[in-house]
Amino acid sequence: DIVMTQSPDSLAVSLGERATINCKSSHSVLKTSINKNYLAWYQQKPGQPPKLLIYWASTRDSGVPDRFSGSGSGTDFTLTISSLQAEDVAVYYCQQYYNTPPFTFGPGTKVDIK
Amino acid sequence: EVQLVESGGGLVQPGGSLRLSCAAPGITFSFYWMSWVRQAPGKGLEWVANINQDGSEKYSVDSVKGRFTISRDNTKNSLYLQMNSLRAEDTAVYYCAGTTSSSGRGPFDIWGQGAMVTVSS
Repeated sequence: DIVMTQSPDSLAVSLGERATINCKSSHSVLKTSINKNYLAWYQQKPGQPPKLLIYWASTRDSGVPDRFSGSGSGTDFTLTISSLQAEDVAVYYCQQYYNTPPFTFGPGTKVDIK
Repeated sequence: EVQLVESGGGLVQPGGSLRLSCAAPGITFSFYWMSWVRQAPGKGLEWVANINQDGSEKYSVDSVKGRFTISRDNTKNSLYLQMNSLRAEDTAVYYCAGTTSSSGRGPFDIWGQGAMVTVSS
């Protein structure tokens, strides 16, 4: 099974500042034949289900503000919030959907306001 | 925005059974690979099982193999999770989620609100 790790476990950022979350997979999730990374990012606010933010490592889902961006390839990925807003306080998870299941999630990164 | 509705959660004793349902009234259900994802209290997300569009392919995480069965009824736009031999460590919010990827290897772009399952004596 592919193991996903995230860093940091939590971070506190001032409003308007940049937040950066890292995700690493134990096996490459890049399908070289189509040059796609099978990696998604989700946002989960308290008491709510997860919400898809980014898929194929860098494609924003419909309606997601452009302050959210994803980057990386292979085994190392980054979610960046360019200018943190109050409504971005949440836990963020990366997930791989490469090959056959299980489709594992990272342990999550909690983002708060400093 | 939420297009899936879970039901069937509750309190059950260890060793007992429970059947979760997920209704999908607002989507073309038969287009979706569907999954169950759970979240233990205060913990992260764990993918549990998935099923393809016509129910002919199913996968599950090792910890539930032989105990949980995923199924679907496209005529009723519904997904199910039959949970047997429940253990305390199965206590979690169970979400149904779906992807339109034809291979099932795609992001979960629809989610339900979740159903709480508590296994305790």
